Amino acid sequence: AQSVTQLDSQVPVFEEAPVELRCNYSSSVSVYLFWYVQYPNQGLQLLLKYLSGSTLVKGINGFEAEFNKSQTSFHLRKPSVHISDTAEYFCAVIPSASKIIFGSGTRLSIRP
Amino acid sequence: EPEVTQTPSHQVTQMGQEVILRCVPISNHLYFYWYRQILGQKVEFLVSFYNNEISEKSEIFDDQFSVERPDGSNFTLKIRSTKLEDSAMYFCASSGYLYEQYFGPGTRLTVT
Repeated sequence: AQSVTQLDSQVPVFEEAPVELRCNYSSSVSVYLFWYVQYPNQGLQLLLKYLSGSTLVKGINGFEAEFNKSQTSFHLRKPSVHISDTAEYFCAVIPSASKIIFGSGTRLSIRP
Repeated sequence: EPEVTQTPSHQVTQMGQEVILRCVPISNHLYFYWYRQILGQKVEFLVSFYNNEISEKSEIFDDQFSVERPDGSNFTLKIRSTKLEDSAMYFCASSGYLYEQYFGPGTRLTVT
């Protein structure tokens, strides 16, 4: 069964510093990978997705992720974070057309 | 921008009672989903629905749960006899393309 692992449950970082949130997935023939963000008391919003093609994927709010097949990773990065990026970030994989499997989430906290 | 809506935002019910959570998916979407998130845990897939029938369901989605699309706009999740462990945030999602799901803001269900 496909799955994703988010190694860091919490990542504190200073404002305007770069950040990387790590995600590793279990290998499969076809891999469709996503990052979702959940702001406090809100639903899930799609940040970016990898279906095929270029391994560097750009998303909303200045985030990007790189699909690395050899390392089975899909880490999320942002070169300079803002207070407004404070949220929980979920890596996810779609093993079938019918559902999303989410990771356990990484809470990003931004210090001024 | 079209969005998925859910009502109510918060539902409190007593153990053993039936609850119906309502969702209005994005109007031209054909695939519908329910997920839940127990406090402090990851988002879990419950069920997917397409062409008026269940496409896939998780082991969580037992006989206590049912889904329905009673008209052309609503998508409901019914829990027949709620248990304390059903307390969670329930998210509805819809998609037009199989690999991009849009989530509603969620309904927080509290079972007392």
